[in-house]
Order: sequence, then C-alpha cells, then structure tokens
Amino acid sequence: AQSVTQLGSHVSVSEGALVLLRCNYSSSVPPYLFWYVQYPNQGLQLLLKYTTGATLVKGINGFEAEFKKSETSFHLTKPSAHMSDAAEYFCAVSDRAAGNKLTFGGGTRVLVKP
Amino acid sequence: SAVISQKPSRDICQRGTSLTIQCQVDSQVTMMFWYRQQPGQSLTLIATANQGSEATYESGFVIDKFPISRPNLTFSTLTVSNMSPEDSSIYLCSVTGTGMETQYFGPGTRLLVL
Repeated sequence: AQSVTQLGSHVSVSEGALVLLRCNYSSSVPPYLFWYVQYPNQGLQLLLKYTTGATLVKGINGFEAEFKKSETSFHLTKPSAHMSDAAEYFCAVSDRAAGNKLTFGGGTRVLVKP
Repeated sequence: SAVISQKPSRDICQRGTSLTIQCQVDSQVTMMFWYRQQPGQSLTLIATANQGSEATYESGFVIDKFPISRPNLTFSTLTVSNMSPEDSSIYLCSVTGTGMETQYFGPGTRLLVL
C-alpha cells in the first residue's frame, strides 16, 4: 500500500522568506507524485507533478519540487513567500497499478507573516 | 484542463435526510472520483465512478450510504444517505485528464448536518 507523510501540519513563514514543505512517500512501483494547494473555501488546484524525466519540476506561482528516489522524498519549495501563498498544501502519490488512485498526505497549512 | 462544477456549493441539512451532489465536466473524461474531506483533515477517496456500471468503493464506504451514478462521460452524482452530523464534510469530485495520470478537482460541496 502506498502512503504519504507530510512533516509539519502547520508552517509559519515570513513574507519574502523561503517556503519548504516536506513530503515523503512509500510506493512499490515508480511513483507519480503531486502537490496540490487548497485556498480557503475552494477545491484543490494542481501546483505541480512528477511523472517521468527531469527530477526537478517547476509549477505555478513560483513553486518547484525535487523528486529524490534515494530519499523517497518530494519536497516543495518557493524561494520567496508571498501573502497570497497562505493556504493548505497536500502532497499525493498515484497508485499506477490501481487506476491512478491518489493517496494524500495529511496536509500542511502555511501561514505567511507580514 | 477540464472545467469542473459541483452543485450545490454548500448546504445545511437535517439528520436523517439525504443530499445528492452533482459533478459536471465540460468535456468527456475517462475517470471520475469522489472524495471526502472531513473538517481539518486530508482527502479520503470514497469511490471511483464508472460510466455505465456500478461504482468501485474504497474500504469503509458502502453503496447504501453513498450511492453513485455516472450516466455518461461528463456527469456524476454522489448521494449522502441518512445523514448524521459525522457526515459534515467537504465532498469533492475529480477527473483525470487526457494523460490519465493527473486528477483535477471540482470546487467541492460543503455539507453541514445538524
């Protein structure tokens, strides 16, 4: 069975500071990995994804993530936080052997301080 | 990516009643899924909505409680039956794009059961 662990349910960063959200996964097959963002009272929006190829993937709103197979990690970063980045972020792994069903991590809520 | 809408966007219901949630996509999609997000929690997959056949339910979810229909490739409904306060959640539908590995989410239906 696949699983996803997000370290830290809440992260507080200052505006302009680095945003780092940690995600570790377990999967029996090469994974597809995703980061989604959920703004208050909205659905989930895809930030970025890793399927194959380049291990450093760039997404929307200046976010990027690096797939590290040896560490089974897919951490999300943004060099400079903006107030609009305040949201909840979910890491997910796709079960490629079962119709690409998603397993989500517990989520990390980001607070941006002025 | 496809444009996904859900109706209603939110509702307040009395215990013992049922609510049907609609998910409409602006283009034909292969896979449609239904998720539940309980307050302050991550997303849990309820079922995969199969076009023309019975939905495939995840462990812990049963058809009598969450009947699902998918009459065509652009529409699905989820019914929450005989509701209790524990059913208060956000219910989200998702669809896969042409590559089938990425899920895109609707805006969600926010349900409060009194």
